[in-house]
Amino acid sequence: DAMVIQNPRYQVTQFGKPVTLSCSQTLNHNVMYWYQQKSSQAPKLLFHYYDKDFNNEADTPDNFQSRRPNTSFCFLDIRSPGLGDAAMYLCATSRTGLVLDEQFFGPGTRLTVL
Amino acid sequence: DQQVKQNSPSLSVQEGRISILNCDYTNSMFDYFLWYKKYPAEGPTFLISISSIKDKNEDGRFTVFLNKSAKHLSLHIVPSQPGDSAVYFCAAKRGDTGRRALTFGSGTRLQVQP
Repeated sequence: DAMVIQNPRYQVTQFGKPVTLSCSQTLNHNVMYWYQQKSSQAPKLLFHYYDKDFNNEADTPDNFQSRRPNTSFCFLDIRSPGLGDAAMYLCATSRTGLVLDEQFFGPGTRLTVL
Repeated sequence: DQQVKQNSPSLSVQEGRISILNCDYTNSMFDYFLWYKKYPAEGPTFLISISSIKDKNEDGRFTVFLNKSAKHLSLHIVPSQPGDSAVYFCAAKRGDTGRRALTFGSGTRLQVQP
């Protein structure tokens, strides 16, 4: 089945220690998104790739970076995680050209910062 | 400033009765609205959507109503089933291109009692 896969599902890191979260998709969608969701809050968009075109949200901290080496994979790099970065990180994909496209989400990676 | 608001964090209904989940938005540029359902340890999954040119969209037990003048939409589930117990997110987007990211509400946890 076509899907969005996130690894790892749970990630524990230390304060200030860089961490990378990964997302892969078999849907061949051209748009990929990274959302941050803190407890009982709305998922918040960090950035998205439209094909290879990177789009950063204005309020996304510089601490967060992303890479998309090919259509299938996208990475979220947190250069120096702080305690406030502990959250669920959701990857999503969509395909342009549809009238009302939906976004397909992965199961998320829960990040804990010690 | 939250542009999409779900003011009820939780809702409990009896099996077989109607569940009504509400959502308000402030940005008049939104023209597509989606509902996502999220089970624990899974990513959000698309449930139903509505374009701003419509005021109702129905899919089986799920109906979404849109009141543009009030900037309000609601999701009706009839009849409610225990398997509907999940967190429901309202989301909105601008434009009909896939690159436009979603703005989410903070979710409503629905509990359907057997």
